[in-house]
Amino acid sequence: SQTIHQWPATLVQPVGSPLSLECTVEGTSNPNLYWYRQAAGRGLQLLFYSVGIGQISSEVPQNLSASRPQDRQFILSSKKLLLSDSGFYLCAWSDPLQSTDTQYFGPGTRLTVL
Amino acid sequence: QKEVEQDPGPLSVPEGAIVSLNCTYSNSAFQYFMWYRQYSRKGPELLMYTYSSGNKEDGRFTAQVDKSSKYISLFIRDSQPSDSATYLCAMSAGNRDDKIIFGKGTRLHILP
Repeated sequence: SQTIHQWPATLVQPVGSPLSLECTVEGTSNPNLYWYRQAAGRGLQLLFYSVGIGQISSEVPQNLSASRPQDRQFILSSKKLLLSDSGFYLCAWSDPLQSTDTQYFGPGTRLTVL
Repeated sequence: QKEVEQDPGPLSVPEGAIVSLNCTYSNSAFQYFMWYRQYSRKGPELLMYTYSSGNKEDGRFTAQVDKSSKYISLFIRDSQPSDSATYLCAMSAGNRDDKIIFGKGTRLHILP
């Protein structure tokens, strides 16, 4: 069966510091991968998605970036965090061979920028 | 008009009641409809998905899609305190390159 991992689970960082969040998927090959941010009352905001190694599409211009160095690894980064980057970050995967586009989420990382 | 609309709640119902959660949408191309359940401080988990119009039942949960009205529902029978969570609807056109569009979620409280 497939599993998705995210770490760290929680993170408190000062403004201006760098960020690296990691997501890995097990039990599947060539997944589509997604990064979302979820803020209170604002729903899920799609940040990045990837259909393959090195292929990243950005949905929202901001100071975050994403990379996919391996097939089942997805990294969210920032060089300098802003207060507005606080939120709950979710990684998700989907099977590109399934027409339902159903996505499966990881446990999330709660980021607080102070 | 937003692509997917969902009442944020909170919705509070007594234990044992039937719960009805709903979403409306505007894109007639949507064919796949999903419901996710999200407990506090956890990632959303897929609860049910349906294709096109009709009903789908899984235990105490029934998903209903009315494409003519662009309206989907999730019914929870014999609601339990453990059903207290945020429920997100989601939908896609199923063209593989399309992204899922999520509702903002309805917070549900089941009162013991």
